[in-house]
Amino acid sequence: QKEVEQNSGPLSVPEGAIASLNCTYSDRGSQSFFWYRQYSGKSPELIMFIYSNGDKEDGRFTAQLNKASQYVSLLIRDSQPSDSATYLCAVRGSGGYNKLIFGAGTRLAVHP
Amino acid sequence: GAVVSQHPSWVICKSGTSVKIECRSLDFQATTMFWYRQFPKQSLMLMATSNEGSKATYEQGVEKDKFLINHASLTLSTLTVTSAHPEDSSFYICSASFDRLKQYFGPGTRLTVT
Repeated sequence: QKEVEQNSGPLSVPEGAIASLNCTYSDRGSQSFFWYRQYSGKSPELIMFIYSNGDKEDGRFTAQLNKASQYVSLLIRDSQPSDSATYLCAVRGSGGYNKLIFGAGTRLAVHP
Repeated sequence: GAVVSQHPSWVICKSGTSVKIECRSLDFQATTMFWYRQFPKQSLMLMATSNEGSKATYEQGVEKDKFLINHASLTLSTLTVTSAHPEDSSFYICSASFDRLKQYFGPGTRLTVT
């Protein structure tokens, strides 16, 4: 079982719709969870982080965390074509330093 | 805030030569820096973690004698790919952290070995 799992997609949504991206993780001791956006040929950009169970909202983005189910998700409201990218879920493990374990990413395509 | 730069952004070198990539945190002091490699259509693979003034911790399967990492100051880390071969061609990305939680990524360096 992979440590951080994401559906590779592509997830195709129409402009203006809500895009829902999901991620599961295996390390029950994980405490910190991150969503990065990566455009093709570019490096990842941090867009959300969440540490506590529940929802965290930032503009059009909402991160949801359920530690009991070992599940974290990212909702993008009013999706725009510029949101088309690969979204990487990253989990900070329970080990030392702050090493992040990345999922393989979900490719999101927002079509006009 | 939390800007990380990398230099060069792309480099082409001949097989057998060495290449040095610099990673700088521009507006913060990075207690920890990380080096990743990403092959096309794959996710990030952590190569090593480095703390200022101490030796880097390499991930399993990463040759420490081939990928030399120096973290000389709180704002600079370098990765040297020694005796590069075509299979080392990849997108190398560094990240930096100041709070032991969030990582901020540099723009990446695309290495092509001919």
